[in-house]
Amino acid sequence: DAKTTQPTSMDCAEGRAANLPCNHSTISGNEYVYWYRQIHSQGPQYIIHGLKNNETNEMASLIITEDRKSSTLILPHATLRDTAVYYCIVRATGANSKLTFGKGITLSVRP
Amino acid sequence: GAGVSQSPSNKVTEKGKDVELRCDPISGHTALYWYRQSLGQGLEFLIYFQGNSAPDKSGLPSDRFSAERTGGSVSTLTIQRTQQEDSAVYLCASSPGRLAGGRETQYFGPGTRLLVL
Repeated sequence: DAKTTQPTSMDCAEGRAANLPCNHSTISGNEYVYWYRQIHSQGPQYIIHGLKNNETNEMASLIITEDRKSSTLILPHATLRDTAVYYCIVRATGANSKLTFGKGITLSVRP
Repeated sequence: GAGVSQSPSNKVTEKGKDVELRCDPISGHTALYWYRQSLGQGLEFLIYFQGNSAPDKSGLPSDRFSAERTGGSVSTLTIQRTQQEDSAVYLCASSPGRLAGGRETQYFGPGTRLLVL
């Protein structure tokens, strides 16, 4: 899988938008960008994924640049419960597409 | 519907003992993955099952680790002669298995926290 690069940490005020960046400059044309998060002591939770187009669901929006070399996960109105480690993962479409987790970015939402 | 469940939620064992960890995937999901997460580390892939195909065991760290999946549903991860470095959270995930893997979302269970004394 292509490697991703994320900042180590960031913080955000409650109620504001949290914009989490991710670089994946070596992504291939058939690789998806996935975002998961892990709240302390819980299993990873799927957030969103995309290939080329921007995506939005009830949790977040995913903005992928036109060259697909970077993306941004947007949590539109962060709450204290959004404090977690967020993982940006680039994933091949092979039969066994295991997820390769890096260190992720620790988002701290402050009151 | 019910998500992925794992048991036990916590397990403390003595070095040298064998342990079995159980995973119940989401009903109807044919793809099942095991990962482990050591303290402060990212997730490490262990093994993957897809339907009746031979499992991908490429991530198992040693021959002390094995896993099976009976009836295409429940899976058991077995660690023989446990060592202290086996202490970690063991996570199971499942996906429908209908699309090429990279196009499917994996849903994770809460994990089993294993502590080897």
